[in-house]
Amino acid sequence: QVQLVQSGAEVKKPGASVKVSCKASGYTFTNYYMHWVRQAPGQGLEWMGVINLSRGSTSYAQRLQGRVTVTRDTSTRTVYLELSSLRSEDTAVYYCSYSLGAPVWWGQGTLVTVSS
Amino acid sequence: QTVVTQEPSFSVSPGGTVTLTCGLRSGSVSTSNYPSWYQQTPGQAPRTLIYNTTTRSSGVPDRFSGSILGNKAALTITGAQADDESDYYCVMYMGSVLHWVFGGGTKLTVL
Repeated sequence: QVQLVQSGAEVKKPGASVKVSCKASGYTFTNYYMHWVRQAPGQGLEWMGVINLSRGSTSYAQRLQGRVTVTRDTSTRTVYLELSSLRSEDTAVYYCSYSLGAPVWWGQGTLVTVSS
Repeated sequence: QTVVTQEPSFSVSPGGTVTLTCGLRSGSVSTSNYPSWYQQTPGQAPRTLIYNTTTRSSGVPDRFSGSILGNKAALTITGAQADDESDYYCVMYMGSVLHWVFGGGTKLTVL
């Protein structure tokens, strides 16, 4: 059974960076992909990016290019999302999701609050 | 500039059947878009219902089904139950520039 456990809530100031982790278990880590998806309060789901867990190659949403970085550590079976130059609009719950193409298995979510 | 379109809201009677759709601002949806469907209730992570057009996720009852209907992807719920009242999102693969794009979601009411 795929399990994804994310790091805890974060509070950051505008202009800072945040790094959220997602530790995976229950499957062969390097198979397929891991997506990151976020949801601002009262809003819909927004796709942010994806990493090929075998090759480490990444793709990102155009509107986040330059601010978002997804990496993975195969030794600890952990995927990371880093978002820089934070703004109030980045306040959201951030989800990792393991994929067979589209997102399928989901982490529990990490609330990131950006506030001065 | 919504790329992926969903009905903002829909209602269904208990026991009834409802079909939610997921379309494109321009063009037709195909299996190459790998349309997938998620159910979400407030405060919870999304739950995957259908992925890659028709594949039901583990543990999802067979009254949820996915298909291509005309030029859109569709999620059909048969025998609607009170706890189906949720937000439903679709996502589609849009190619190497846009990558994956979620629709705006459909709020389903069961009454």
